[in-house]
Amino acid sequence: KQEVTQIPAALSVPEGENLVLNCSFTDSAIYNLQWFRQDPGKGLTSLLLIQSSQREQTSGRLNASLDKSSGRSTLYIAASQPGDSATYLCAPFGGGSQGNLIFGKGTKLSVKP
Amino acid sequence: EAGVAQSPRYKIIEKRQSVAFWCNPISGHATLYWYQQILGQGPKLLIQFQNNGVVDDSQLPKDRFSAERLKGVDSTLKIQPAKLEDSAVYLCASSPGTLLQYFGPGTRLTVT
Repeated sequence: KQEVTQIPAALSVPEGENLVLNCSFTDSAIYNLQWFRQDPGKGLTSLLLIQSSQREQTSGRLNASLDKSSGRSTLYIAASQPGDSATYLCAPFGGGSQGNLIFGKGTKLSVKP
Repeated sequence: EAGVAQSPRYKIIEKRQSVAFWCNPISGHATLYWYQQILGQGPKLLIQFQNNGVVDDSQLPKDRFSAERLKGVDSTLKIQPAKLEDSAVYLCASSPGTLLQYFGPGTRLTVT
């Protein structure tokens, strides 16, 4: 059974800092991995999708890397802004006997002006 | 393009009562998902539909939860009878068959 761990659970940084969010998963037999953003009272928004054959994806100030063999992914946010404050969720697709997204508990990010 | 619509946005019921949630996916999306997100946890898949057929309902507590997707468009998720541990946000998502899922705003259920 796929298990996903995200560290840290919460993070508070001053505006402008670069930061890294970590995700680890137990079963490396995944098809892809997505990073989502969740704002309070709202649904999830997909930020980046990394295929199992890829090592990283970039979108603007966001860069996600995937090391499938070690069961790790990181989300790097450059020059953080208060608008980046949200919960970030990691979700590998597949692994174990499950053919769907398996979510971690998320990292709650707060960027202070 | 309109997003995934869900209603109601909030619901408070007493335990042992019944409740139903409604989801309208993005037009043309064949796949529809219902997730349960308990406070402090990530979403957990309850059921996946492909058109109006069930693809995966392995984590749906079938003794109290039911879901249907008539005509392959809108979907309803029902809980009867509700328990305190059913308090959560219920998220609906749809997909055109690609790897991306598009999520609605969710329905926050409180069972007292």
